[in-house]
Amino acid sequence: SQQGEEDPQALSIQEGENATMNCSYKTSINNLQWYRQNSGRGLVHLILIRSNEREKHSGRLRVTLDTSKKSSSLLITASRAADTASYFCALGGSNYKLTFGKGTLLTVNP
Amino acid sequence: SAVISQKPSRDICQRGTSLTIQCQVDSQVTMMFWYRQQPGQSLTLIATANQGSEATYESGFVIDKFPISRPNLTFSTLTVSNMSPEDSSIYLCSVEPFSPGGVNGYTFGSGTRLTVV
Repeated sequence: SQQGEEDPQALSIQEGENATMNCSYKTSINNLQWYRQNSGRGLVHLILIRSNEREKHSGRLRVTLDTSKKSSSLLITASRAADTASYFCALGGSNYKLTFGKGTLLTVNP
Repeated sequence: SAVISQKPSRDICQRGTSLTIQCQVDSQVTMMFWYRQQPGQSLTLIATANQGSEATYESGFVIDKFPISRPNLTFSTLTVSNMSPEDSSIYLCSVEPFSPGGVNGYTFGSGTRLTVV
C-alpha cells in the first residue's frame, strides 16, 4: 500500500515563527489526516481534510490539499515551544485503514 | 470521541517471552487497529480486529507472532510472542472514528513502549 512522504524530515524554528510541513502521495485517497506525537507517545488527531476539500482551518492550523498534485501541507502559525513534536500525515482509503508517512520532527525553540 | 486506556505503558522483557498489551475503550466500536512503531520510524499497521471474527493481518505480520483477541466491542489484546530484540517498538491501538457526519480522526491509545533484552 502507498505511504505518504513527508518533507522536511526535521524542522527547527523559533517561537512565533510559522512551520510548514508537506506530504505527498501516489494514489487516490478518501481523506488525508494529520496527527501529532509527543515523545513517542500516543497520536493526537489534529485535522482531517476530505478529498473534495481544498483547505481547512482549526485554530492555528491550516491544511491544504491538492489532489491534482497529490500533496498536502500543514501550516502551524505563531508556533509555541509546546508545538515541539513529530507530525505525521495519514492517508485514508475506502477500507478504514490509515497509511502513515514517516513524519516531520518539529522543534520550536523558545 | 472515544477514550482508550492502553496498558502497560512500557515494559522491559526478556527475549523468548511474551507480552500481552490491553486496550479498553470507553464506548463500543466495531473496528480496532493495532500498530507498531519501530524506533525513529512511522506507524505500521499490524492487524484489524473486529469483534466476533478473526483479526485480519497485514503483509509481514502473522497470527502466531501477534495473536489478537477481541472478546467484545470495548476491549482487545495484542500479544507479542517469543520476543526478540527486533520486537522493541512502541505498540499502539486505535479505534475507528464514529460520527453520524462521516469519517473523523481516529483515536489512539497512549502506546506501549516495549524493550526486549
